[in-house]
Amino acid sequence: DAGITQSPRHKVTETGTPVTLRCHQTENHRYMYWYRQDPGHGLRLIHYSYGVKDTDKGEVSDGYSVSRSKTEDFLLTLESATSSQTSVYFCAIRGQNTDTQYFGPGTRLTVL
Amino acid sequence: EDKVVQSPLSLVVHEGDTVTLNCSYEVTNFRSLLWYKQEKKAPTFLFMLTSSGIEKKSGRLSSILDKKELFSILNITATQTGDSAVYLCAVEAGPMEYGNKLVFGAGTILRVKS
Repeated sequence: DAGITQSPRHKVTETGTPVTLRCHQTENHRYMYWYRQDPGHGLRLIHYSYGVKDTDKGEVSDGYSVSRSKTEDFLLTLESATSSQTSVYFCAIRGQNTDTQYFGPGTRLTVL
Repeated sequence: EDKVVQSPLSLVVHEGDTVTLNCSYEVTNFRSLLWYKQEKKAPTFLFMLTSSGIEKKSGRLSSILDKKELFSILNITATQTGDSAVYLCAVEAGPMEYGNKLVFGAGTILRVKS
């Protein structure tokens, strides 16, 4: 499982509330990614990080922010959740000396 | 705009059948193509292909890439019910300086009936 955990694993929240999802890795990987998965769309990149305090936007970054203050943690924040952000969120890391990305177990987020 | 298209969107087969899943792509600065299997949880890595015409094989699964025609196929022979899953194709594209970005297709839902 590449040493990746995500928390929480499930969350139900209301429109307009802030939400933070956490991705934690134990193997000192430099690159970390946040994706969302929705029916008919596959996985879409939200934000990614290429080092501590180094982040960049993906294709669906509107409404999301990220932070990486230490190597092992990559946080995804929805400042004001909307129903369109109901989705399954996956964190991924890029393996050492490889281009392959490995995924965490996912967080199912429901915004009512 | 980078694009990855998988076909078919879904299929149902019987145990023992052979299936072929397709992935075509249009991306800038192609680097590699990856296949993942997803069974109601996180995608798990199957293959990465970077060179045209070289088959990657793992048990009953195999995959090949055609960089000239911009597509890849994933073959599964002698299918089993445990092969039922969503199969995702992803293409790594763009500059490597800040980490690879994967563009995913929508996936093919495979159901194997006993």
